[in-house]
Amino acid sequence: NFMLTQPHSVSESPGKTVIISCTRSSGSIASNYVQWYQQRPGSAPTTVIYEDNQRPSGVPDRFSGSIDSTSNSASLTISGLKTEDEAAYYCQSFHSGYGIFGGGTKLTVL
Amino acid sequence: QVQLVESGGGVVQPGRSLRLSCAASGFAFSAYAMHWVRQAPGKGLEWVAFISFDASQKYFADSVRGRFTISRDNSETTLYLQMESLRPEDTAIYYCVREVAPIWGQGTLVTVSS
Repeated sequence: NFMLTQPHSVSESPGKTVIISCTRSSGSIASNYVQWYQQRPGSAPTTVIYEDNQRPSGVPDRFSGSIDSTSNSASLTISGLKTEDEAAYYCQSFHSGYGIFGGGTKLTVL
Repeated sequence: QVQLVESGGGVVQPGRSLRLSCAASGFAFSAYAMHWVRQAPGKGLEWVAFISFDASQKYFADSVRGRFTISRDNSETTLYLQMESLRPEDTAIYYCVREVAPIWGQGTLVTVSS
């Protein structure tokens, strides 16, 4: 199986844009859909992006997802940052029934 | 509304068993594959187990294979995780997750300690 690697932490100011990367170690990033989950402290994860770039209802369009075959990575872009976006973000793929998670990225909005 | 509600967590001694349940509502449960995911205190998310919509396929993480069993009752729209021979390192919040357009439950805490 492959691994998904994320930066441990990122920080940015309110109103700015941040991009969180998720690099696949082997096989094509396009082979399996990528999901992105937000987890605020003390809460269960929630889905902000599924199937690479789909937004569940209720998730603001400030959140977007993409994949890049050149870098074999997926990205979560959050624009117009708000303090409420401060959370851990996890990328994830399902592969033949198995679930693979990235290690998570702590986003600080300051 | 679409909802997953886990239950069955608690404090259990090493070597003992526990069964978790996940009650689904608001969607066609029998049409969806499901997963269990756990999170140890202060750690990231760890995938635990998968079951196909019709229970014909089941997969497990290496860390739990042979000790945990996953099952479902589509008539009762409920997912289960039977955990045997529990170890301290199984201590975590356990979440059930719908695979397609993922939704998560609120989790149930399992603590393995003597």
